[in-house]
Amino acid sequence: DGGITQSPKYLFRKEGQNVTLSCEQNLNHDAMYWYRQDPGQGLRLIYYSQIVNDFQKGDIAEGYSVSREKKESFPLTVTSAQKNPTAFYLCASSTRDRGGAKNIQYFGAGTRLSVL
Amino acid sequence: KQEVTQIPAALSVPEGENLVLNCSFTDSAIYNLQWFRQDPGKGLTSLLLIQSSQREQTSGRLNASLDKSSGRSTLYIAASQPGDSATYLCAVTSGTYKYIFGTGTRLKVLA
Repeated sequence: DGGITQSPKYLFRKEGQNVTLSCEQNLNHDAMYWYRQDPGQGLRLIYYSQIVNDFQKGDIAEGYSVSREKKESFPLTVTSAQKNPTAFYLCASSTRDRGGAKNIQYFGAGTRLSVL
Repeated sequence: KQEVTQIPAALSVPEGENLVLNCSFTDSAIYNLQWFRQDPGKGLTSLLLIQSSQREQTSGRLNASLDKSSGRSTLYIAASQPGDSATYLCAVTSGTYKYIFGTGTRLKVLA
């Protein structure tokens, strides 16, 4: 089945620890995205990548880092510099046809991160 | 700066009712608008995508309309069912790969 796989489903972070959230897609999409969702709020963009080895900061990139070494994979690291990391993290992918009908965003099931 | 607003924030309706969810955006220069459904604790599922040149899209009991000039979109759900209970979000993209999301409308359909 084609889709986006996020792991783990639940993750706990200790003070001063970096944690990495995994996102893998087999949709052959060029563009991938990371969003953060807090209760009662919409999704906020953390980072996005249009092609391999290239990525751009979104609206709330501070305290996060990403890499895009493979087309299929876009891991997100939540660093110790992110002081309020508790949230629901969603990964998405899409084609690069920005204005067209194929530019549908597909989402993974999410990772819920909590601080111990 | 593009801002997306969804009203109402929450809605409860009896089963079988037709309903309309609203989405408004401040910058009419959009490439497309997408409606999503999110079940509690889950990811988002795309329902409908409307390109900027289109006025509406339909899928089953769902119909989404777009009026760029007024900065509005509506999602019409016909003959609502308890299984339609979820949060519905709209998002727009304006020429980059960034999508701007609304905060969603939480829908509850009562049996």
